[in-house]
Amino acid sequence: KAGVTQTPRYLIKTRGQQVTLSCSPISGHRSVSWYQQTPGQGLQFLFEYFSETQRNKGNFPGRFSGRQFSNSRSEMNVSTLELGDSALYLCASSLGHGISSPLHFGNGTRLTVT
Amino acid sequence: SQQGEEDPQALSIQEGENATMNCSYKTSINNLQWYRQNSGRGLVHLILIRSNEREKHSGRLRVTLDTSKKSSSLLITASRAADTASYFCATDGATNKLIFGTGTLLAVQP
Repeated sequence: KAGVTQTPRYLIKTRGQQVTLSCSPISGHRSVSWYQQTPGQGLQFLFEYFSETQRNKGNFPGRFSGRQFSNSRSEMNVSTLELGDSALYLCASSLGHGISSPLHFGNGTRLTVT
Repeated sequence: SQQGEEDPQALSIQEGENATMNCSYKTSINNLQWYRQNSGRGLVHLILIRSNEREKHSGRLRVTLDTSKKSSSLLITASRAADTASYFCATDGATNKLIFGTGTLLAVQP
């Protein structure tokens, strides 16, 4: 079974631009969670989607948004990029709700904002 | 904000030795999970232990949970160089979100 696939692997953007990150979950997994990882803040929860509905949201500004499609694939969008948005963005899928089922992570998208 | 805090922040041992990492958390939980992350890659799930369980084993891994002390420990026995990674605990708490701790960086010297 293929693992979680995140694209692109690396991304360099300029302040003020917007970016869309993509995540394809493991086949059969209906829950997708997104995390931001930085050296200073560690792993921060962004949001979780289940069956195309946002189930939960972290403490991030409205510039961070996401969605999930009917095939469970998910996208995350960040608008008006700031330097502090530079991070590793990790997507994870699970069979059930992410808090009670093991998460399967992709290798992430490394975003650099200059 | 982090729900869990791992201790120590960094640990360096020799191959063949045992490694113990601890996780303390703040609110009551339904379950606690441990993950491993190799440098620059995604996290890999190791073990999930439920609040009504006290100990769980998986291969060379042993996880204990003490809900009265709000703490958990991960023991890796007979460590190998390939165990070099960061280890995170994650809890659900009262937020209905899976929140990760700050991590322990384990270095196993060959």
